[in-house]
Amino acid sequence: NAGVTQTPKFQVLKTGQSMTLQCAQDMNHEYMSWYRQDPGMGLRLIHYSVGAGITDQGEVPNGYNVSRSTTEDFPLRLLSAAPSQTSVYFCATGRGTENYEQYFGPGTRLTVT
Amino acid sequence: RKEVEQDPGPFNVPEGATVAFNCTYSNSASQSFFWYRQDCRKEPKLLMSVYSSGNEDGRFTAQLNRASQYISLLIRDSKLSDSATYLCVVNPSAGGSYIPTFGRGTSLIVHP
Repeated sequence: NAGVTQTPKFQVLKTGQSMTLQCAQDMNHEYMSWYRQDPGMGLRLIHYSVGAGITDQGEVPNGYNVSRSTTEDFPLRLLSAAPSQTSVYFCATGRGTENYEQYFGPGTRLTVT
Repeated sequence: RKEVEQDPGPFNVPEGATVAFNCTYSNSASQSFFWYRQDCRKEPKLLMSVYSSGNEDGRFTAQLNRASQYISLLIRDSKLSDSATYLCVVNPSAGGSYIPTFGRGTSLIVHP
């Protein structure tokens, strides 16, 4: 089992460009989420999903979109990249909303210039 | 007051030492608690859940004090490989939003 995979591992964007960060899991987990981690800050939740077809906003959703058409995939779209979105992005999965144990992907390091 | 607070450290200890970290939380209705470990430039990995009765996993012991609203992690017989950042996570009450709150982490350095 691959667990949680993320692509790409690294990405450099220019301000205003758009892109999609990919997250896939083979753990059959219902709960999936996206976090960003910045120096000196805790992990902050961007968006999450409790199942296919259901998404909701986290703490810092502005500038990001998500969709969940399948259990396995949960892509994160940056609509118009800004330098403030330079960060490390982690995707995580969990068994469900009654069990908050989460399993993280290896992360995507994004730089916006 | 921040929702979840941790001493950032670093805690610098020799091999074999016992070290303990605390994590305080502000929401008394919080439902579940976890410790994660994060190595430099890697993803967080679940270390252990924290149960009301306390729980132990080898050299690691986690405890919850609801009255004082903190959780703790005790590491006995520290190894060099324990060097990492330890994140506490507090999850909301059942039926609420599914937005866990991460602490900023406590850095542990174990030296020879």
